[in-house]
Amino acid sequence: GDSVTQMEGPVTLSEEAFLTINCTYTATGYPSLFWYVQYPGEGLQLLLKATKADDKGSNKGFEATYRKETTSFHLEKGSVQVSDSAVYFCALRSGNTPLVFGKGTRLSVIA
Amino acid sequence: DVKVTQSSRYLVKRTGEKVFLECVQDMDHENMFWYRQDPGLGLRLIYFSYDVKMKEKGDIPEGYSVSREKKERFSLILESASTNQTSMYLCASSFLGSNQPQHFGDGTRLSIL
Repeated sequence: GDSVTQMEGPVTLSEEAFLTINCTYTATGYPSLFWYVQYPGEGLQLLLKATKADDKGSNKGFEATYRKETTSFHLEKGSVQVSDSAVYFCALRSGNTPLVFGKGTRLSVIA
Repeated sequence: DVKVTQSSRYLVKRTGEKVFLECVQDMDHENMFWYRQDPGLGLRLIYFSYDVKMKEKGDIPEGYSVSREKKERFSLILESASTNQTSMYLCASSFLGSNQPQHFGDGTRLSIL
């Protein structure tokens, strides 16, 4: 079945550092790919998405590019802030099935 | 903006009680979902529904049931609560289609004593 693998956390960065969170997937067909963010005590919020190969999703300074050749959708941000501290989930959706999530990566940004 | 509302943020119940968790969405979404989230285990799908009165089992349906009598409301029922059902429960909804994101509520932190 479909699956998503993302890098183990936690990830600890200093403010203004560059962020990469790796995400790779296995799927039949052509899934859509998503990144969600979960702040402490809250539900998941959609951060960005890409629906076909070579699409780039972007939001709030975060970016991710749908790479079909490497089956990847890595999340990047050029300069993280303390307020970016959260858990980040990579996910895919094939057809009208429920999202398949990675395990999540906890990011802590220190001032 | 999409609004998915879960009836309680925090809930404490006793072992053996029948527990109802309610979820309402205001965007006329066809699909609705229930997950539980536990440290180290990520998000696990309990049940989902493609339309009114339809339901499908997810990965961990044992000990749970669901009800969808109206399109906007999806209820999760713990038939006889047990301590291993202490968890964060998340409801989500979406339109049909692979390019449609799921929208989540703020979650219900349920404790079974």
